Amino acid sequence: GESVGLHLPTLSVQEGDNSIINCAYSNSASDYFIWYKQESGKGPQFIIDIRSNMDKRQGQRVTVLLNKTVKHLSLQIAATQPGDSAVYFCAEKNTGFQKLVFGTGTRLLVSP
Amino acid sequence: EAGVVQSPRYKIIEKKQPVAFWCNPISGHNTLYWYLQNLGQGPELLIRYENEEAVDDSQLPKDRFSAERLKGVDSTLKIQPAELGDSAVYLCASSMGQGQTQYFGPGTRLLVL
Repeated sequence: GESVGLHLPTLSVQEGDNSIINCAYSNSASDYFIWYKQESGKGPQFIIDIRSNMDKRQGQRVTVLLNKTVKHLSLQIAATQPGDSAVYFCAEKNTGFQKLVFGTGTRLLVSP
Repeated sequence: EAGVVQSPRYKIIEKKQPVAFWCNPISGHNTLYWYLQNLGQGPELLIRYENEEAVDDSQLPKDRFSAERLKGVDSTLKIQPAELGDSAVYLCASSMGQGQTQYFGPGTRLLVL
């Protein structure tokens, strides 16, 4: 079956540091990947996505890296701020099935 | 632009009681999703609508859960009767079409006693 998981359930960093959140996926047929940020009491918020024909995509302070060889996805946050504290989910999708599968989440704690 | 609206935000009921959740998607979004999110876990899809048609309800426990989107805009998710294990956050999301970015509402937090 398909599954998306995270290596680290909690990541603690200092303000200003760079953060890296990792995700492993098992469905080699997945061709679209998304990172969501979920703050306490809110729904998931889209951060950045990447398609399987790319290995890197950059946004504002965020970069997503995709390594299809080892089925690994990562989210890099530059100059992490207290407002980045949240749970981060990776999600995968196979375009043919249109179903988004979420991982279990990593909690990012940013201390001043 | 308003985001996805859900109500109520919180609901506490006793087991065996019915409960209903309401969702108003982003204007112009044809695809609507209901997700279940247990504590510490990622959302799991319950049902997906394309306009008023439920195109994927394979994960919806149909013995007690039902959903409708009669006019292809707002949607209601119902549980009858509720069980203790139904305590969770119920998220609604919408997208312009299938395969497009999904935008989530704040969720309804259900506690079944």
